[in-house]
Amino acid sequence: EPEVTQTPSHQVTQMGQEVILRCVPISNHLYFYWYRQILGQKVEFLVSFYNNEISEKSEIFDDQFSVERPDGSNFTLKIRSTKLEDSAMYFCASTEGSVYGYTFGSGTRLTVV
Amino acid sequence: AQSVTQLGSHVSVSEGALVLLRCNYSSSVPPYLFWYVQYPNQGLQLLLKYTTGATLVKGINGFEAEFKKSETSFHLTKPSAHMSDAAEYFCAVRKVTGGGNKLTFGTGTQLKVEL
Repeated sequence: EPEVTQTPSHQVTQMGQEVILRCVPISNHLYFYWYRQILGQKVEFLVSFYNNEISEKSEIFDDQFSVERPDGSNFTLKIRSTKLEDSAMYFCASTEGSVYGYTFGSGTRLTVV
Repeated sequence: AQSVTQLGSHVSVSEGALVLLRCNYSSSVPPYLFWYVQYPNQGLQLLLKYTTGATLVKGINGFEAEFKKSETSFHLTKPSAHMSDAAEYFCAVRKVTGGGNKLTFGTGTQLKVEL
């Protein structure tokens, strides 16, 4: 069964450093998303991406965050200057369209120290 | 804006007993509804979804859920719990039109299955 692949599975970074989280969505999917889950809390929407542009973003997704689909297969989330409160599990997801289920990757656990 | 409420952050059942995880949604129009399961240190796996059509939806691992518009509910059930069902379960909602296709998740219910 097709999968959404996320790398790395775990990343530790110093506060203030830039990090890039990588995702390879399912190849025929058109919509791409990033969500995050702070330990013990619910899964929160960050951003959705369609047709090479952001279609919606949450208030969490401020100027420190950016997304890119550089080569038609990878979908990346960049955090420019990480803060302690960015520590969370970050999930990438993709879907063919609105009536279909969303396929999630297994996540990247980001730890900011 | 749409939202979901999951009643009970922790549910404990005996192996072989009925599993009932509650989810109520709030939306100005009937939304699309989803249940996801998260095993420890893993991602979110789709259990089942309701978009249109039959209101009783069957999913993987013997789970099913019924969309009840009058009660704005989408409770998840399984007739007989198995030890392997122990996990966290998330209900999620998506608006049918607009909203950028994003999913809004509930706070999750941790299911514990005891011998």
